[in-house]
Amino acid sequence: GQQLNQSPQSMFIQEGEDVSMNCTSSSIFNTWLWYKQDPGEGPVLLIALYKAGELTSNGRLTAQFGITRKDSFLNISASIPSDVGIYFCVASGTYKYIFGTGTRLKVLA
Amino acid sequence: NAGVTQTPKFQVLKTGQSMTLQCAQDMNHEYMSWYRQDPGMGLRLIHYSVGAGITDQGEVPNGYNVSRSTTEDFPLRLLSAAPSQTSVYFCASRRTVGDNQPQHFGDGTRLSIL
Repeated sequence: GQQLNQSPQSMFIQEGEDVSMNCTSSSIFNTWLWYKQDPGEGPVLLIALYKAGELTSNGRLTAQFGITRKDSFLNISASIPSDVGIYFCVASGTYKYIFGTGTRLKVLA
Repeated sequence: NAGVTQTPKFQVLKTGQSMTLQCAQDMNHEYMSWYRQDPGMGLRLIHYSVGAGITDQGEVPNGYNVSRSTTEDFPLRLLSAAPSQTSVYFCASRRTVGDNQPQHFGDGTRLSIL
């Protein structure tokens, strides 16, 4: 099936640092989303992107929908310990979500 | 606000046993879906439904059955459990297919097949 290439797979960062992660696809999508998953819980929506080139912020999080519609990135500024978790990019087709493999973020206080 | 509710949260089965994972949503969403999450992988779509009485296969449907007799409920059935079905299962819903609104996920069912 279709796959998304998400990188990096994991990151260890110091509290206060900025974080960047990205996602690429070989196919074009009309919607990109970023979810966060905490241990033992389901994914929770962080940001949804609906237009190529769109740049959207949610607090310390900023995400962009690539111009080619084949990629997206997520930035987290001034990381804090509660940012720890797994971040998934998701490309949305009409009926189906396609998930990236996730970026596991660990923040060292 | 209950959102998407999954039961049970944990289950251990023996190979060959059958089981139904329950999913219910109280948001009157038309679209519901089931995913499985395996270590080191993203969620993969098992089955989905765009409304009551309508279901379709996702990426990994083998070994699973679904039905959608009501808008609220979307159970996932394992007819004869196999060790390869050990996974974390997530149910999700969204208002409708056509409006691009995001999916809401339940907290998952952790299933182990011995």
